Amino acid sequence: KAGVTQTPRYLIKTRGQQVTLSCSPISGHRSVSWYQQTPGQGLQFLFEYFSETQRNKGNFPGRFSGRQFSNSRSEMNVSTLELGDSALYLCASSPTGLHSPLHFGNGTRLTVT
Amino acid sequence: AQTVTQSQPEMSVQEAETVTLSCTYDTSESDYYLFWYKQPPSRQMILVIRQEAYKQQNATENRFSVNFQKAAKSFSLKISDSQLGDAAMYFCAYRPITQGGSEKLVFGKGTKLTVNP
Repeated sequence: KAGVTQTPRYLIKTRGQQVTLSCSPISGHRSVSWYQQTPGQGLQFLFEYFSETQRNKGNFPGRFSGRQFSNSRSEMNVSTLELGDSALYLCASSPTGLHSPLHFGNGTRLTVT
Repeated sequence: AQTVTQSQPEMSVQEAETVTLSCTYDTSESDYYLFWYKQPPSRQMILVIRQEAYKQQNATENRFSVNFQKAAKSFSLKISDSQLGDAAMYFCAYRPITQGGSEKLVFGKGTKLTVNP
């Protein structure tokens, strides 16, 4: 089975631009979560989707948004980029249910200049 | 709010020896899961081991085992017979069991493990 696939692997954007990151979960997985990883703040939860519905949301400004499609693929969007948005963005998927560990992708490294 | 603390930013161990990584957490919940994830330079987070809070028996996975002390809210990871491939960032994570079924993880800041040949 293919793992969680995140595209692109690297991205360089300018302040004020917007960006869309993509995540394809493991086949059969219906839950997708997003995390932001920075040296200062560590790993922080962004949001979680299950069956196209946002199930939980972290403490991030409204510039960060996401969605999930009927095939469970997910995208996250960041508008009006700031320098502080530079980070590794990790996507994780799981089949469903409370007993399933998360399976992570390799992440998208976003650099904002 | 639930928090996870890893007090050792860096650790080192000689190949073939044993090392223990510390983790403490704060929660008022009685049911939850605890995890150790490994992140090598490839950036992918890999599940090492998990523990259900309602289970008193400590989880083990080959060379990896945990010491789960629920009352003390402590969850340490022991790596036996350390190998060069064990070198990575190790993250302790907590997940409450919620009615809504959320799988949100709360992570510690991580411990960088170096394995010396």
